[in-house]
This record gives sequence, C-alpha cells and structure tokens, in this order.
Amino acid sequence: GAVVSQHPSWVICKSGTSVKIECRSLDFQATTMFWYRQFPKQSLMLMATSNEGSKATYEQGVEKDKFLINHASLTLSTLTVTSAHPEDSSFYICSARAAGGETQYFGPGTRLLVL
Amino acid sequence: EDQVTQSPEALRLQEGESSSLNCSYTVSGLRGLFWYRQDPGKGPEFLFTLYSAGEEKEKERLKATLTKKESFLHITAPKPEDSATYLCAVQGSGSARQLTFGSGTQLTVLP
Repeated sequence: GAVVSQHPSWVICKSGTSVKIECRSLDFQATTMFWYRQFPKQSLMLMATSNEGSKATYEQGVEKDKFLINHASLTLSTLTVTSAHPEDSSFYICSARAAGGETQYFGPGTRLLVL
Repeated sequence: EDQVTQSPEALRLQEGESSSLNCSYTVSGLRGLFWYRQDPGKGPEFLFTLYSAGEEKEKERLKATLTKKESFLHITAPKPEDSATYLCAVQGSGSARQLTFGSGTQLTVLP
C-alpha cells in the first residue's frame, strides 16, 4: 500500500518551454501533497504544500508564478515549470499524505534537464 | 525552528558489521520522527515513523529507536543491498505539518 507515482521520470526540454510533472497517489486518497526539489548530494528542499481544492502554499524564495501547482483531485497533483531555464534543472520529488495520517509517501522523482 | 542533524555524513561497513546512525533533533511539539531510505536517482522510501520517546520499531535488519533528543537507526549484520542514503525527518506541531529533513547518512556496505 501507499504507492505514489510520478510522470514523467525523465524530461529534457529547451529553455523557455514549460514542463508539467504529474504526481498520483495510487492506492489512497491524498488530502495533502508536497513538492520537493533535490540537488546532487543534498537533502530535499520543500517547494510547496498543496491541499486538495485549495491554492498551494509556497516556501519562501519559491516563485509561485514559475512553479504552478494544481491539486484538483484527491489522487492527482501537478507541478508545471513555466518558461524553464537551465538553472531549473534538478530532481523534483512529490509526496502525498492521507487525511488524518502523519506519514508522507514519496514518488520516484522526475529528473528535469533544461538545455 | 525545527532542526535535524544526522551523523555521520558517510559510513562504510563490511558486510555483517553492525552499526548505528544518529539523528539529533530539536522540534516544537513532536508529531512524528520519520526514517527514509533513498537510493541514487530515486525518491525516498518510507521505513519507520516514531511518535514518542521510548518507542522502537524493527524491519528486517533495521531497528529505529527514539529519545526526547535523538533517534538511532541500528543496522544489524548489514548486507551490500543495504547501501543507500538514510534520511531522518521530524514533523512538529506547527499548522503546516511539514517535514524538516536532515542531510542524510550515506551508508556503503562492502561485500
């Protein structure tokens, strides 16, 4: 149980284009989903928290107009990186937490490379 | 502000050589302490949640313990497949209920 998927696992795009990453909870309903970014040999950095049906809450320093988050259902959240630039290249990981639960279950991550 | 410090940063063990990883924390109202395993290029895999001092949990060769100031992840007779980065995180009583992660311990088990 508690499986979270992400799609795509790898994406390469040109500078200036937008990229959408999907995060799905496969066997439970996730009232809250989180998006993280991880640089090589570093720990996870929280970007934003999203509750189903509400606007996402962004961490300080994260541009909400650049990283658009939609949590339209209890099993799906999307992160759209708009007008991507090479400095946005990173490993993006989502996690999901069920209502009343404390544990976050993580997806496998999406590697983004912006050329 | 919640803080998590993990030590050592890296640990190399021979197969079968038991050891412990440390996670020291300060948190305002602990709601949970979490251990995850992360393999290169993958998302963290959930291992344990501990909620109160004195609690212990086991899974195969791993055992997690919790005090009011720190948690230990004990690895008994490790195998090469136990090689990974082990992450510790805490969740405080703040309204956001977010996780604060440590920087991880990179474990290498040599055959």
